[in-house]
Amino acid sequence: EAQVTQNPRYLITVTGKKLTVTCSQNMNHEYMSWYRQDPGLGLRQIYYSMNVEVTDKGDVPEGYKVSRKEKRNFPLILESPSPNQTSLYFCASSSIGLAGAYNEQFFGPGTRLTVL
Amino acid sequence: SQQGEEDPQALSIQEGENATMNCSYKTSINNLQWYRQNSGRGLVHLILIRSNEREKHSGRLRVTLDTSKKSSSLLITASRAADTASYFCATALYSGGGADGLTFGKGTHLIIQP
Repeated sequence: EAQVTQNPRYLITVTGKKLTVTCSQNMNHEYMSWYRQDPGLGLRQIYYSMNVEVTDKGDVPEGYKVSRKEKRNFPLILESPSPNQTSLYFCASSSIGLAGAYNEQFFGPGTRLTVL
Repeated sequence: SQQGEEDPQALSIQEGENATMNCSYKTSINNLQWYRQNSGRGLVHLILIRSNEREKHSGRLRVTLDTSKKSSSLLITASRAADTASYFCATALYSGGGADGLTFGKGTHLIIQP
């Protein structure tokens, strides 16, 4: 089954304790991205990747890191989480079509993170 | 920054009525996509319309695109209670170096009253 998986689904942690949220897709997609969703703010892009070893900042990259060592995986790293990073996080992936157009995005189920 | 913005922010209609929501964007696009999100869940792709298309249908969904006005609309006909969700448009900003990431608006929250 074609899918994007995220782990963990729920996480409560404390300020400053490094954490990683994993994201994996089995569709051989070139494009992967991370979003955070907060009430009233919609989805805001954190980082995206057009392919292996190619990553770019989105609208809200501060406090986050990513890596794309393999095509299927795109982990999100919070080196020193703070309470303002409490949010619902989504990973997504898609193929890239003609002229660099993004095709249908497949979303993971989300990770609800609480930083105390 | 966010490329697309949906309007209205919230919409409440009676079951059976049609629901229309709009998306405006800022710069040229290759395509525009619409997604649905049920509360707290991942977004689900509804429809993709390319910049050279003006209208597209999928079941009870009808999407239009007006590139001269930089706007799109999503029409849901004969609404059902199960259509209650948030709806987002998504576009990518294209500059000389290629496409930036795909960004989403803040969404339209649609409530279908039974």
